[in-house]
Amino acid sequence: DQQVKQNSPSLSVQEGRISILNCDYTNSMFDYFLWYKKYPAEGPTFLISISSIKDKNEDGRFTVFLNKSAKHLSLHIVPSQPGDSAVYFCAASEGQGGSEKLVFGKGTKLTVNP
Amino acid sequence: DAGVTQSPTHLIKTRGQQVTLRCSPKSGHDTVSWYQQALGQGPQFIFQYYEEEERQRGNFPDRFSGHQFPNYSSELNVNALLLGDSALYLCASSSIGANQPQHFGDGTRLSIL
Repeated sequence: DQQVKQNSPSLSVQEGRISILNCDYTNSMFDYFLWYKKYPAEGPTFLISISSIKDKNEDGRFTVFLNKSAKHLSLHIVPSQPGDSAVYFCAASEGQGGSEKLVFGKGTKLTVNP
Repeated sequence: DAGVTQSPTHLIKTRGQQVTLRCSPKSGHDTVSWYQQALGQGPQFIFQYYEEEERQRGNFPDRFSGHQFPNYSSELNVNALLLGDSALYLCASSSIGANQPQHFGDGTRLSIL
């Protein structure tokens, strides 16, 4: 039973355009959500997070939106750059502390074409 | 400032053998979590150690065990290896109560023949 779902295995966008990565969850106890980026042969790197008490969090080119009623979150990258090409994982946890166990989606491979 | 380091990078074992993977957390972190990432899947939580005790555990059999040392480093042990144990094993560290995200190492690629 997958509690965190990333339904798009891959996404391809042009450099300079917006990339939108989506994530759905089923566990209503989740209250902390994160996005990690992973390059081949490297571990996941933290990108941005959002608490359930917010509906938007921005960090430079990256914005995460949370819709609690729909149990849906999305990551927007504007503008997209070739260096953003990687696998993006959505993760969720119960509890606001960063040390709680993370439940991951299967990932979306983003390709940004020059 | 060294991040999370894992050893070895790659490992090949045969079915039935036992393996030990090692992790050193990021400086200042006191909590270590282990995840298994099978091909084409997201990382799956195995367990977490804090103050040398197992704090949380995921849905993994008892063949998977761990340890945390006084210097916060950790080991993951897997006994009676199965072909299905072939995966990337990731270690993540964090600081209890700091409300900061977990930092991951680059993982150990375990192949079972």
